[in-house]
This record gives sequence, C-alpha cells and structure tokens, in this order.
Amino acid sequence: DAKTTQPPSMDCAEGRAANLPCNHSTISGNEYVYWYRQIHSQGPQYIIHGLKNNETNEMASLIITEDRKSSTLILPHATLRDTAVYYCIVRSTADSNYQLIWGAGTKLIIKP
Amino acid sequence: DSGVTQTPKHLITATGQRVTLRCSPRSGDLSVYWYQQSLDQGLQFLIQYYNGEERAKGNILERFSAQQFPDLHSELNLSSLELGDSALYFCASSTKTGKVEQFFGPGTRLTVL
Repeated sequence: DAKTTQPPSMDCAEGRAANLPCNHSTISGNEYVYWYRQIHSQGPQYIIHGLKNNETNEMASLIITEDRKSSTLILPHATLRDTAVYYCIVRSTADSNYQLIWGAGTKLIIKP
Repeated sequence: DSGVTQTPKHLITATGQRVTLRCSPRSGDLSVYWYQQSLDQGLQFLIQYYNGEERAKGNILERFSAQQFPDLHSELNLSSLELGDSALYFCASSTKTGKVEQFFGPGTRLTVL
C-alpha cells in the first residue's frame, strides 16, 4: 500500500510556481522521497528524490520538512507542458527489490 | 526519449488469447521492471528481473509470466486473457537493482475484446 497522501488535483497558472504537497507521516529513517510524473498515459518520468536535505535539479526543487513527515515538490515556472499526474513515492533503499509502490498522485493542471 | 523501447505500441485481441509484450532496456541497464496501469488507476508493479534472474514479484497473476534474455531484453507473456486485463503495460529499466531511478518506456496499450 502507498505510504503517501497527495491531493487528487491542483490548478496552477502558467508562469507561476507550482507547489505540490505530499504527506508521508509514517516515513522511516532510511526511506527516501521520490517524485515521478506521468503526462497523459505516457511512461512515467523521474523528477527528483531526497532523504532529508532539500534538493534541486533542472526540473524541480524538493523541500522536505525537518521532521520528514511531509514534502513539497516545486516547479518554479510552470508551463502548459507540466500538466501531468505527479506521484510522490516513499521508498527504502534497504529493501532488496526496489519496486516502486504508486499511489493515486496529484493531477496538476496548468492554465494559460 | 527514455531509451527504453516497447513493442507493440497497441495490441487488440480477444478473450482467451495469449500475447507477448516486448521491452528493450536502456543500454547498460541490467534491471527490468514491468507495471500494469488500468484505466484511470495508478501503476501496479508486476515483476522485476535483474541480469536474467527474477528478483521480485508483485501482484502478478499466474496467467502472466515474464523472462529476461541474455541480451537483457524482456518479454511479458499474458495468457487466457480476460476483459479486465485491458490496460497499459509499462516496462522500466535501471542501471542496477539498487538504483531507484527507473526509466520508463512508452508502454503497450492492450485491449481485450
């Protein structure tokens, strides 16, 4: 079962920052937070992951609270192409199989 | 383009039939994962192979089987197909079993009539 809770949908204006929250209150010390997105039935795309420090790459920033019970994915300047379902996944690197357990995600709609 | 290829892109077949879906991982990736996504649902992990050996099983039906060949491509075999097997089937690959960054193919859309 998914260990994360995300709002089912969100809207954001084009050019503004899109902030997608994720609750993972039962996260344990060796579990990472990963974000993927899926654009309209295409294969999911990896975005970013982190353990406890904030992370940034060319696509997004990941802010993890100090208690690690929640995180926020930030798309700094959203474009129409960012319209997608965004999945927050908690995953331990201690497990032997590394399968990803997917929740329902957040459907992000970027509006012109 | 993730570098993962899947064929065919679309497949339409009848109940009771058997089909084979094919996946070629990114060059150098040893691990292959198969996922099923039914209409408007999240992805369900089916099975993982690493360098030719089965590494993990998820909610894969007994009617489904998979293998990974010496050239690292993988095939997912679905038999005795039912209407409920209609779904998108995704293959993903990663450099090693410990690497969680998975690269997904474009998927195969299976329709069972």
